[in-house]
Amino acid sequence: NAGVTQTPKFRVLKTGQSMTLLCAQDMNHEYMYWYRQDPGMGLRLIHYSVGEGTTAKGEVPDGYNVSRLKKQNFLLGLESAAPSQTSVYFCASNRGREQYFGPGTRLTVT
Amino acid sequence: KQEVTQIPAALSVPEGENLVLNCSFTDSAIYNLQWFRQDPGKGLTSLLLIQSSQREQTSGRLNASLDKSSGRSTLYIAASQPGDSATYLCAVANDYKLSFGAGTTVTVRA
Repeated sequence: NAGVTQTPKFRVLKTGQSMTLLCAQDMNHEYMYWYRQDPGMGLRLIHYSVGEGTTAKGEVPDGYNVSRLKKQNFLLGLESAAPSQTSVYFCASNRGREQYFGPGTRLTVT
Repeated sequence: KQEVTQIPAALSVPEGENLVLNCSFTDSAIYNLQWFRQDPGKGLTSLLLIQSSQREQTSGRLNASLDKSSGRSTLYIAASQPGDSATYLCAVANDYKLSFGAGTTVTVRA
């Protein structure tokens, strides 16, 4: 039981490049989330999904897209990366009301 | 919009002293409140979850209280140890979404 895993762990992008972050969970959770964490600001919700095939916007969705084609996977896409998207990205999933978090992806956009 | 505040932002105590971490929130219509621990460069580890109907939750040296009417929660860590040094995050659940505070960074001096 791996819990919530994230790929990749680190990435450096140039402005304008695109990439996809992968989140996978093996706990059969319905709800999945993408957050970003910036210094001094806590975690902010980007997008979330309440089940396979569904997605919804969170607090800071601009510049990101998501897809949930399979229940166990939640993908976060950056179509044209900007320096303001330099951050640590966390994925989480829900069992009942308690959220379980992945180890994070550290993204730098130069 | 739920606003979560954690005070103080940083705390330094000698080993053995009890720790008191505060969290306040603006919307009392919550489902639950979670306390997390985050070590530098790492993900989030769930410490305690308090359901909205509960007043407190305990795990070992950790005790968390919840006062929904006043929008406050307090995390107590008894007899602190250097291994307790970390950032502690408070998160409040409205519906299935979490709102995070910016965290309290704790240093326990040996």
